[in-house]
Amino acid sequence: QQQVKQSPQSLIVQKGGISIINCAYENTAFDYFPWYQQFPGKGPALLIAIRPDVSEKKEGRFTISFNKSAKQFSLHIMDSQPGDSATYFCAASIGQGGSEKLVFGKGTKLTVNP
Amino acid sequence: NAGVTQTPKFQVLKTGQSMTLQCAQDMNHEYMSWYRQDPGMGLRLIHYSVGAGITDQGEVPNGYNVSRSTTEDFPLRLLSAAPSQTSVYFCASGRLGLATNYGYTFGSGTRLTVV
Repeated sequence: QQQVKQSPQSLIVQKGGISIINCAYENTAFDYFPWYQQFPGKGPALLIAIRPDVSEKKEGRFTISFNKSAKQFSLHIMDSQPGDSATYFCAASIGQGGSEKLVFGKGTKLTVNP
Repeated sequence: NAGVTQTPKFQVLKTGQSMTLQCAQDMNHEYMSWYRQDPGMGLRLIHYSVGAGITDQGEVPNGYNVSRSTTEDFPLRLLSAAPSQTSVYFCASGRLGLATNYGYTFGSGTRLTVV
């Protein structure tokens, strides 16, 4: 059973465009939703994260939108750049109580064409 | 400050062989974990630890053993390698309770091929 469903599997965007990646979850106990960015040959790195008490979080060109009632969250990359080309993973966890089991989506390979 | 160090970077094993993937962190993180990454499957949690002497299973623990004798080290053991264990393995660490704020620090991975 996949706990976090991510789409699309791959995405091609022109430079300057908006990249949108979507995720959905089932477990309403999840209370922490990070996005990780991974470049080829490297380990994933935290990009941005949100808790369900807010509907949106913005850091530079990256924005997470969160819809608690629909159990969905998405990553928006504004003014996409070729340097943003990477694989993006959404994730979810129950962050309290010391059980830090982070569950990842299957990933989206983003290609930004110059 | 080296972060999370994984060794080796590449390994080829024959079916049935055993080996240990090493993971060390120098950030005094309580939490450490092992993930495997397969094409189209994302990252799947194998085992994790919230402190020395404490380990627990993740989503895909079968075929793997772990132990945590020190805060710094969290080795992953394959007792009898199988082709299904061909994957890229990542070790990650974080501050317990604060990992949700600062995220996990991942190593650069070990690419394992079992033939």
